[in-house]
Amino acid sequence: DVKVTQSSRYLVKRTGEKVFLECVQDMDHENMFWYRQDPGLGLRLIYFSYDVKMKEKGDIPEGYSVSREKKERFSLILESASTNQTSMYLCASIQRHKNTEAFFGQGTRLTVV
Amino acid sequence: AQKITQTQPGMFVQEKEAVTLDCTYDTSDQSYGLFWYKQPSSGEMIFLIYQGSYDEQNATEGRYSLNFQKARKSANLVISASQLGDSAMYFCAMGGLYNFNKFYFGSGTKLNVKP
Repeated sequence: DVKVTQSSRYLVKRTGEKVFLECVQDMDHENMFWYRQDPGLGLRLIYFSYDVKMKEKGDIPEGYSVSREKKERFSLILESASTNQTSMYLCASIQRHKNTEAFFGQGTRLTVV
Repeated sequence: AQKITQTQPGMFVQEKEAVTLDCTYDTSDQSYGLFWYKQPSSGEMIFLIYQGSYDEQNATEGRYSLNFQKARKSANLVISASQLGDSAMYFCAMGGLYNFNKFYFGSGTKLNVKP
């Protein structure tokens, strides 16, 4: 059974903290994504990675960075958390060059207080 | 830039009736894929159906069908015989067929099925 796993389902962090959201997939997919989901805005792409150590900015990269040291793991980093980063964060992976769907993690609901 | 538009923030449908959720897209890619996902209140993203830009037949998966009109750049989801369990958020998404380096989503439609 294919799986994308996010390290936490719920997180509460303080303003200014450095926050790490981890995502691991076991499907040997090349491409991995981080999205932010807010009501009325759908899923907005923060960053994506198409290979180890390779990354590209999505539509809303400000305030975020990412790391992909191994193919199976893609980390989202909030360098200094702010209250406007309170949101649901979804990780996804997809196999490149295949007309197949993206597989999602269960989501991390982050609250910054 | 690619863009997905879902113009129906919320919809109601009577149980056992059919419902159409609208999706239009904009892309300069010649080859692309269109997807629909369902997100129940539990939050997981459930893949429903896929349509490739070169597929001549509209995709179908059980009670789900995708009404693909390439010239109009629309990819509407049709759910036949709605069930109470169909109440959820529905997202239309698009990715480039051969690279999927970016995978874009619309803002979603909240479907409520009434008994």
